[in-house]
Amino acid sequence: DAGVTQSPTHLIKTRGQHVTLRCSPISGHKSVSWYQQVLGQGPQFIFQYYEKEERGRGNFPDRFSARQFPNYSSELNVNALLLGDSALYLCASSLADSPQETQYFGPGTRLLVL
Amino acid sequence: GIQVEQSPPDLILQEGANSTLRCNFSDSVNNLQWFHQNPWGQLINLFYIPSGTKQNGRLSATTVATERYSLLYISSSQTTDSGVYFCAVDYSGGYQKVTFGIGTKLQVIP
Repeated sequence: DAGVTQSPTHLIKTRGQHVTLRCSPISGHKSVSWYQQVLGQGPQFIFQYYEKEERGRGNFPDRFSARQFPNYSSELNVNALLLGDSALYLCASSLADSPQETQYFGPGTRLLVL
Repeated sequence: GIQVEQSPPDLILQEGANSTLRCNFSDSVNNLQWFHQNPWGQLINLFYIPSGTKQNGRLSATTVATERYSLLYISSSQTTDSGVYFCAVDYSGGYQKVTFGIGTKLQVIP
């Protein structure tokens, strides 16, 4: 079975632009979470979605938004990009919406904001 | 929020050596996972271990929930073990909100 997939793999944007990142979970997984990993740091939680509803939100500004589709894939949108948004964006999926579920991570999207 | 501290921050090992990585957390947790992040950024689950001890080949992990720490043991290290090891905990009451430590960067040299 395919693992979690993310697209694009790399992206270069300029300040003020908008970006959309995409994630497809493992087949059968209904929960998707997004994380931002700045160089040299651990991943930071942005959002969790389950059954198309937002279940959790981290400490990120309103420029960050996300949604989950009926097929459980997800998009992360970032508006008005800042230089500090340059990071590796990771998507993780799990079977259910439980802290006891193991999360499986995708390869990430590397975003560079110039 | 919960604090997750990992030590040591950096570690250099000769191939074949053993090591212990530590994770301390500041509050009770529902879930604790150890991950290995390879040089290309891929995060690989190593263990789901909210309590107790588990072993997988040359790797083993122990979590003592009552004392709020977890240990990851790497025996007979290989160059392919290089990368960053993260401890991640989930302490939320109703949904998944995983907090990662800053990681231990391991370099295994031949």
